[in-house]
Order: sequence, then structure tokens, then C-alpha cells
Amino acid sequence: GAGVSQTPSNKVTEKGKYVELRCDPISGHTALYWYRQSLGQGPEFLIYFQGTGAADDSGLPNDRFFAVRPEGSVSTLKIQRTERGDSAVYLCASSSNSFTEQYFGPGTRLTVT
Amino acid sequence: GIQVEQSPPDLILQEGANSTLRCNFSDSVNNLQWFHQNPWGQLINLFYIPSGTKQNGRLSATTVATERYSLLYISSSQTTDSGVYFCAVADQFYFGTGTSLTVIP
Repeated sequence: GAGVSQTPSNKVTEKGKYVELRCDPISGHTALYWYRQSLGQGPEFLIYFQGTGAADDSGLPNDRFFAVRPEGSVSTLKIQRTERGDSAVYLCASSSNSFTEQYFGPGTRLTVT
Repeated sequence: GIQVEQSPPDLILQEGANSTLRCNFSDSVNNLQWFHQNPWGQLINLFYIPSGTKQNGRLSATTVATERYSLLYISSSQTTDSGVYFCAVADQFYFGTGTSLTVIP
């Protein structure tokens, strides 16, 4: 079946603007994860959903970052008042259940100018 | 939190050579994965291997959970193997530092 998809693939925004990044997980996967990857680094955990609820949001860097998954499928990562330091590739992954094998999407490259 | 270290950090191979990549972790894990991040940034699943040995074509992996390490073997390397290899303790959402592999023809 289809893999994890993310939109947009690239997003350029000005400092201070609001952005939304979307993730469509593999159909039937109950767990969904958001990571952020800066150049030359490994992915860094942001938040994990089991179903509709955020089971662990300890990786969100501050209250400008928020994510939702209202129907237990598609998730949106929302960033308010973007800063240049938010520039990174935002990766989404899903798994059939919590803590089982994760499958990653292609990522959204966010550039804040 | 858990520490995940990978070695070597960088590796250059001649096409056809074999290599071993290592992942050490500081605590017991329930879910260890190996990924290949290709030059376009896509993370590709290689192995889900909390313990034991698995093989897939030219690649194989072994995790010795009691000794807190995992190894990824690449045999007869090809230029398409180039990229960054990550191990990840997925149940703690923690990725290692990666091994950057370049295979030259």
C-alpha cells in the first residue's frame, strides 16, 4: 500500500509567520511520530500520537509548536511565530502500534527567512 | 536519557568491499531499527532488530541486547549504498549520530 506522505515537500516562510505541515500515515497505523532533522544531525523527536491523543510531547521545543491528530489518521504540525532557528526538515513516521517498526515519510523542508 | 553512539562516523569504501557499522547503546532497549538515509533525505527501513540476527540480500544485522550493541554488515558494497546509516532506539525516540558511507566506483 501507500507509504507515509507529507505535504508540502518544501515550505519557505518569513520570520514571524504561522505554518502548518501535514502528515498522512500508512493506512491502519495507530501510532504517528514527528521528528525534526537539522543538517548533519540525526532526527530529533518532537511528539508521538497513539490514536488521537498525544502520548508524549516532551520533544516539542516550546509552546510555539503544536500538533493535532483529530481523527486518529492525518496529523498537522503547527508552528506559530516562526524563527530562523526553526529551519529544518520535519519528518513524520507511523507504526502499526506503539513502539513497533516505524516507517518514515519524505519530510517537509522548512526554511524561515 | 539513553546514549546511542555509532562508529565509525565516516567511511569510504571501494565498490565491492565489505564493511561493518556499529551501534552502542547505554541501556536496555526493546525496539532497535537500522535506517539508510539516501542522498535525497529519505529514511529507508533496513532492519527492525531488537535482538538476534537478520539478513536481507547483501545486508545483515545482529543485535546483542545483553551487551548493548548492534552491528550492520554490508557486503559487496555498491555506489547506491552511499548515504548515512542510523540506528534508532525507537521506543525512546532516540537516533544515533549516524555513519556517513561513501562508496566509490
